[in-house]
Amino acid sequence: DTEVTQTPKHLVMGMTNKKSLKCEQHMGHRAMYWYKQKAKKPPELMFVYSYEKLSINESVPSRFSPECPNSSLLNLHLHALQPEDSALYLCASSSPGTGKETQYFGPGTRLLVL
Amino acid sequence: GQSLEQPSEVTAVEGAIVQINCTYQTSGFYGLSWYQQHDGGAPTFLSYNALDGLEETGRFSSFLSRSDSYGYLLLQELQMKDSASYFCAPRGYNKLIFGAGTRLAVHP
Repeated sequence: DTEVTQTPKHLVMGMTNKKSLKCEQHMGHRAMYWYKQKAKKPPELMFVYSYEKLSINESVPSRFSPECPNSSLLNLHLHALQPEDSALYLCASSSPGTGKETQYFGPGTRLLVL
Repeated sequence: GQSLEQPSEVTAVEGAIVQINCTYQTSGFYGLSWYQQHDGGAPTFLSYNALDGLEETGRFSSFLSRSDSYGYLLLQELQMKDSASYFCAPRGYNKLIFGAGTRLAVHP
């Protein structure tokens, strides 16, 4: 199973809402990532979890709050977002220390903030 | 600082060969990855070079020269389904840094 799943596929939220994005993988990977991607732009790294601990936060605003409850799950909690936060949010996982560290991406959650 | 350069667009015909170049300047360089992304899809891994030289995977090959901070992706026997964006992504410690991407359009 080389699949990373993400839910929901689409999300529309107001600026005062609180919502969460969910990512799951069962490949035994111990590194998981959140990226943000705007149209016609490359994925931008937001957070990296390694062995369930936050190892990289790319100066992401606090309205985005990541959580890694266990080695298979990664959440991104959203609160008081701005319209400019509308984007495709991609989750990825990899197996650290294997040399290639190929990242496997989920299909993404397309977020629209109104 | 960090910088990555790759062409923004490339056009080719079916059956042709295309080379997408990537020059990079990053701290903590471990290797160079290439990812493909179709419109509306997620990035998928194509190739990785940790050492200098050529890596071949079917119709796709990737090359790295660490001393020149340069790599390329070579796509042979182009097919219509190869129309997509291609990202070079230097690997740093625990992360990838994606280039701006090259949009490849393959025409009949």
